[in-house]
Amino acid sequence: DVKVTQSSRYLVKRTGEKVFLECVQDMDHENMFWYRQDPGLGLRLIYFSYDVKMKEKGDIPEGYSVSREKKERFSLILESASTNQTSMYLCASSADGYEQYFGPGTRLTVT
Amino acid sequence: QKEVEQNSGPLSVPEGAIASLNCTYSDRGSQSFFWYRQYSGKSPELIMFIYSNGDKEDGRFTAQLNKASQYVSLLIRDSQPSDSATYLCAVNTPQAGTALIFGKGTTLSVSS
Repeated sequence: DVKVTQSSRYLVKRTGEKVFLECVQDMDHENMFWYRQDPGLGLRLIYFSYDVKMKEKGDIPEGYSVSREKKERFSLILESASTNQTSMYLCASSADGYEQYFGPGTRLTVT
Repeated sequence: QKEVEQNSGPLSVPEGAIASLNCTYSDRGSQSFFWYRQYSGKSPELIMFIYSNGDKEDGRFTAQLNKASQYVSLLIRDSQPSDSATYLCAVNTPQAGTALIFGKGTTLSVSS
């Protein structure tokens, strides 16, 4: 079974803090994705990566950056957290067949 | 504008009935189609994928694809209260590369 893990289930940060969310997959997948999910807005793609050190902007990259130094690990960075970044953050990975497998999610609250 | 549309619901069906969930997409070049189930407070879980026109069955679930009408559906037979969840339709388009475009989901409620 594909396993995608995320570093925290719940996280509370203060406005202006730098926040790191980490995601690890154990299936040697090439592609990894970061989404945020908000009520009424659905899943929105922030960034994705199709190879080590490669990244592509999704629909809402503003205020976020990513890092992929190893194939199994994809990090999402909030450079200066703001209250409008309070959300559920979901990481996913996929091989070439496009079906994505999700981690358990991190519920981030920025106060 | 790439779009995947779903009726938000809630769709309410009695236990044992067939639930029909529908999804339309705007990009005619779309080639791969996925259904995810998401329980409240949990992450999405892949339940079906379909690539070719027609029906694909897996247990109580049937995915149906009609590329000419740009329409994909999910049928759940013998619905159970445990099927109560939000169902997300996702589509891969050539423009999206390896990414998927997700609909906002349909909430299904199965009453016992």
